[in-house]
Amino acid sequence: DQQVKQNSPSLSVQEGRISILNCDYTNSMFDYFLWYKKYPAEGPTFLISISSIKDKNEDGRFTVFLNKSAKHLSLHIVPSQPGDSAVYFCAASHYGNNRLAFGKGNQVVVIP
Amino acid sequence: NAGVMQNPRHLVRRRGQEARLRCSPMKGHSHVYWYRQLPEEGLKFMVYLQKENIIDESGMPKERFSAEFPKEGPSILRIQQVVRGDSAAYFCASSPGTGEEKLFFGSGTQLSVL
Repeated sequence: DQQVKQNSPSLSVQEGRISILNCDYTNSMFDYFLWYKKYPAEGPTFLISISSIKDKNEDGRFTVFLNKSAKHLSLHIVPSQPGDSAVYFCAASHYGNNRLAFGKGNQVVVIP
Repeated sequence: NAGVMQNPRHLVRRRGQEARLRCSPMKGHSHVYWYRQLPEEGLKFMVYLQKENIIDESGMPKERFSAEFPKEGPSILRIQQVVRGDSAAYFCASSPGTGEEKLFFGSGTQLSVL
């Protein structure tokens, strides 16, 4: 069963605009959430994370928002840059446990 | 400052053959994780190992699959008698094991079973 769900498999956005990626989870035991970015023929690279004690975490152009009651998180990228074109995976775990549950990923294309 | 190294990058096997995938973690990392990505799917956890110990193999198929992380040398994921459904990208990740949640992934091995 898919415990982490990413709908809208692909997103195209103009350079300089905001990219918003959404992620829903079903397991209420998850308390740590991560976003990974993946280029073709490479492994996923860590982007940003958030624990369940927070509702927002920001790192430069990347912000993750967590809504625990809705079991929903989102990643905002602003401003979007062509180098952001990649597949973005949402992942979740129990804190202290690196057995991550991944979503299927969202393809983001940033148009120059 | 090498990252997680996986080899081979591509592996082609015929049905019934054995596949061996190797992973060297980042320097200073003693925890290794294997994940599998089937086409159009997200990554799925398979197994978690520390040196000479399997900590959690709950995501690994019970038959034909095995993993090890010996005292010396890389971690090995072994698939015996491969079938077409084993075709996937296999990713290894490592962590220092100090409670750091962030995993560092290798570039993966793409296994194709003919």
